[in-house]
Amino acid sequence: AQKVTQAQTEISVVEKEDVTLDCVYETRDTTYYLFWYKQPPSGELVFLIRRNSFDEQNEISGRYSWNFQKSTSSFNFTITASQVVDSAVYFCALGTGGGNKLTFGTGTQLKVEL
Amino acid sequence: DTEVTQTPKHLVMGMTNKKSLKCEQHMGHRAMYWYKQKAKKPPELMFVYSYEKLSINESVPSRFSPECPNSSLLNLHLHALQPEDSALYLCASSQGGSGTSGSYNEQFFGPGTRLTVL
Repeated sequence: AQKVTQAQTEISVVEKEDVTLDCVYETRDTTYYLFWYKQPPSGELVFLIRRNSFDEQNEISGRYSWNFQKSTSSFNFTITASQVVDSAVYFCALGTGGGNKLTFGTGTQLKVEL
Repeated sequence: DTEVTQTPKHLVMGMTNKKSLKCEQHMGHRAMYWYKQKAKKPPELMFVYSYEKLSINESVPSRFSPECPNSSLLNLHLHALQPEDSALYLCASSQGGSGTSGSYNEQFFGPGTRLTVL
């Protein structure tokens, strides 16, 4: 069975702080895909990144960076110099086994205050 | 055009009403999805269409009836809903189909329809 754990239910930071959102996944499959999505208050889920299990390279995109570690089954997401516009719910998701069915974590609510 | 559109944005309906939610994408994606999301919860998959055929039905009650008229459109017909069906309904699409090979493409989501059942 697949499982995604986002242990941080809610995080509050002050603008310009760095913040890391944790994601731990469980699967017995050797081929799998990991995703992060952002859901602002407007409701739409915005795709941020996809990573497959054979690519452990970390990725940086502007203020966003992702750290994928198979040894600890983690795919953590860091926002550098956070901004108020980063306030949203962030979901980590796992895809494996075909069918394009994703297993979502419970989400982390990030609040960035001035 | 990298957008998934959904109409209406908001819908209020009684338990005896029949209504439909609509979703459209023009990205050439061949897989389309319906999700239901309750407040403070992750999205729950309801249906997947792959190449216009229903490939996944997550044991959704028959009062929800999906339809895929063509590769760009996805509808969700609603009939005799219950108040507990009130939620945000999200449509998504992804490149390729939802085959068993396990190559997951990112899903692009629409803004959702916020449904209230009275």
